[in-house]
Amino acid sequence: QKEVEQNSGPLSVPEGAIASLNCTYSDRGSQSFFWYRQYSGKSPELIMFIYSNGDKEDGRFTAQLNKASQYVSLLIRDSQPSDSATYLCAVHNNNDMRFGAGTRLTVKP
Amino acid sequence: GAGVSQSPSNKVTEKGKDVELRCDPISGHTALYWYRQRLGQGLEFLIYFQGNSAPDKSGLPSDRFSAERTGESVSTLTIQRTQQEDSAVYLCASSSGQGVPYEQYFGPGTRLTVT
Repeated sequence: QKEVEQNSGPLSVPEGAIASLNCTYSDRGSQSFFWYRQYSGKSPELIMFIYSNGDKEDGRFTAQLNKASQYVSLLIRDSQPSDSATYLCAVHNNNDMRFGAGTRLTVKP
Repeated sequence: GAGVSQSPSNKVTEKGKDVELRCDPISGHTALYWYRQRLGQGLEFLIYFQGNSAPDKSGLPSDRFSAERTGESVSTLTIQRTQQEDSAVYLCASSSGQGVPYEQYFGPGTRLTVT
């Protein structure tokens, strides 16, 4: 079992819709959870982090964490074509960070 | 301020040759990570340095891979006797452990092609 699992996609949504990205992790001791965005040919950049159960909102982005289910998600409201990228889920535990393989999102105009 | 820098940006080498990749973290960042990203794939953890502690080498794929870090500054990743499957982008990231907990700042990467 991979430590951090994501649906590779591609996930395609129309402009203005809500995009929902999901991630599960195997280590119950994981402490912090991150969503990175990576445009093609570029390095990852942090867009959200969460470490408490529940929802955390930042503009059009909402991160959701459920530690009991070992599940973290990212919702993107009012999706824009500029949101088209690969979204990487990352889980921090015991001084290292493990990344999922990423979900490729395409927002169609 | 300056971000994480990596050199070279691109490296083409022949199978069997050794290569050395360099990472300059953000000044003051105590943590440094190396990742490998094959085309269309996610990030594969290679090695983690934290201050003067022994590095976490659990992600290194074989004994052909090694990495060093001088104090809390520059790190080099060395791949000996390169193989074609080593072709990938090698990303370095650093973290201060302050502010956003464990937020990693990534360098631009080194694209390695083994012919």
